[in-house]
Amino acid sequence: QKEVEQDPGPLSVPEGAIVSLNCTYSNSAFQYFMWYRQYSRKGPELLMYTYSSGNKEDGRFTAQVDKSSKYISLFIRDSQPSDSATYLCAMSSNTGGFKTIFGAGTRLFVKA
Amino acid sequence: GAVVSQHPSWVICKSGTSVKIECRSLDFQATTMFWYRQFPKQSLMLMATSNEGSKATYEQGVEKDKFLINHASLTLSTLTVTSAHPEDSSFYICSALLAGGRGWQETQYFGPGTRLLVL
Repeated sequence: QKEVEQDPGPLSVPEGAIVSLNCTYSNSAFQYFMWYRQYSRKGPELLMYTYSSGNKEDGRFTAQVDKSSKYISLFIRDSQPSDSATYLCAMSSNTGGFKTIFGAGTRLFVKA
Repeated sequence: GAVVSQHPSWVICKSGTSVKIECRSLDFQATTMFWYRQFPKQSLMLMATSNEGSKATYEQGVEKDKFLINHASLTLSTLTVTSAHPEDSSFYICSALLAGGRGWQETQYFGPGTRLLVL
């Protein structure tokens, strides 16, 4: 079993739709949870990071963490064609040294 | 936000030559930097963790003599691909760890990546 599971997609939605991206994980030692956006041929860009269970909102983006279920989500409201990218979930722990595990990434296409 | 740069952004070289890629944290000091490799439509593969002033820690299966890492200062880490071959062609991405302070977590910020093509 992989430490982080993420559906690679692709996920195709019409402009204006609400997008839901998800990851599950198995290691309860993870303390920090991040979402990165990666455009083609570019480095990943940090979108959201959270430390505890609950919701965090930033503009059109909402990150949700449920530690009891080991499940994290990223919601994108009013999706735009410019949101078309690969979204990587990531989680870190600082136990025994800093370690980050990335999901495989979900490719998102938002159609105009 | 924190900015990480990489140079060069792309490089084409002949088989057998060595290529050096630089990774710089521009507005913060990074004790720890990471080097990743990414193949098309695949996720990031951690190659090594680089700590300033000490030897890098390589992931299993990554040849340390092939991929030389030097983290000489708190803002610069370099990856040298020695005697490059076509199978080394890939997208190499570094990241720098922004240390956490009160109320903040440690967070990785990524460079824009370097595309290497070995002919």
